[in-house]
Amino acid sequence: DVKVTQSSRYLVKRTGEKVFLECVQDMDHENMFWYRQDPGLGLRLIYFSYDVKMKEKGDIPEGYSVSREKKERFSLILESASTNQTSMYLCASSSAGRANQPQHFGDGTRLSIL
Amino acid sequence: DAKTTQPPSMDCAEGRAANLPCNHSTISGNEYVYWYRQIHSQGPQYIIHGLKNNETNEMASLIITEDRKSSTLILPHATLRDTAVYYCIVRDLTGANSKLTFGKGITLSVRP
Repeated sequence: DVKVTQSSRYLVKRTGEKVFLECVQDMDHENMFWYRQDPGLGLRLIYFSYDVKMKEKGDIPEGYSVSREKKERFSLILESASTNQTSMYLCASSSAGRANQPQHFGDGTRLSIL
Repeated sequence: DAKTTQPPSMDCAEGRAANLPCNHSTISGNEYVYWYRQIHSQGPQYIIHGLKNNETNEMASLIITEDRKSSTLILPHATLRDTAVYYCIVRDLTGANSKLTFGKGITLSVRP
C-alpha cells in the first residue's frame, strides 16, 4: 500500500515564525503535491514537484516555498507565518508512469497560527 | 475538467450495499472518473478510477454508463467506518497541471 506520511497531525505556531511541514512517501513516486483545504473553499494546490529539485507553482503559492532534495521527501515552508495560513495542509504523491495514476494523500497537518 | 454533480447526502444500513451516484454529462473522451473519500479530520483516500469499463477493487466497484455521462460507486457491504464524504472527480490528464479539484461531494451516513 502507498504510504504518505506527514510529520505532524497538529501544529500550533505564532505569527512571523518560519514553519516547516514535512512529507515523506515510500512508493518511489515522481510527483508530489502540497494542498491546503479550507471549509467552503475546497482543495487548493500550493506547489507541486515532478522530480527532485523541480518545483512548480500551483494556484496559491504566495507566502509559501517548497524543497525537494530527495525523491521521497517534499517540504512546505511558510516563510513568515500569518493567521490566514491557518488551515489543513495535505501532501499527496503519484506515479508518473501512466497519466491516469491517482494521487495518494497523507493524513494532513492541521496548522494553527496564533 | 468536466463538472460533476452529486446529491448532498444519503444514508444506508450497515451491511447493505451503498450506491453513490454521480453525473458528469459533459465528460469528454480522454477524461477518467475518480472517486475519493474523506473521513472527518483525515486526508482524502483514493478509492477507484475508470475510463469506460466497470472496475472493481478490494474497496468498491465503479459502474460507468455506456454513454459515460454518469457513474455509480458501490460499496458492497457498508460498515460504520464507511461514513465519510465521497467525491466524484473527472480529470483530463493531457494537460501539464494535474491538480485535483474536489466539489462538495456526497456525505454518506451508515446507520447501525
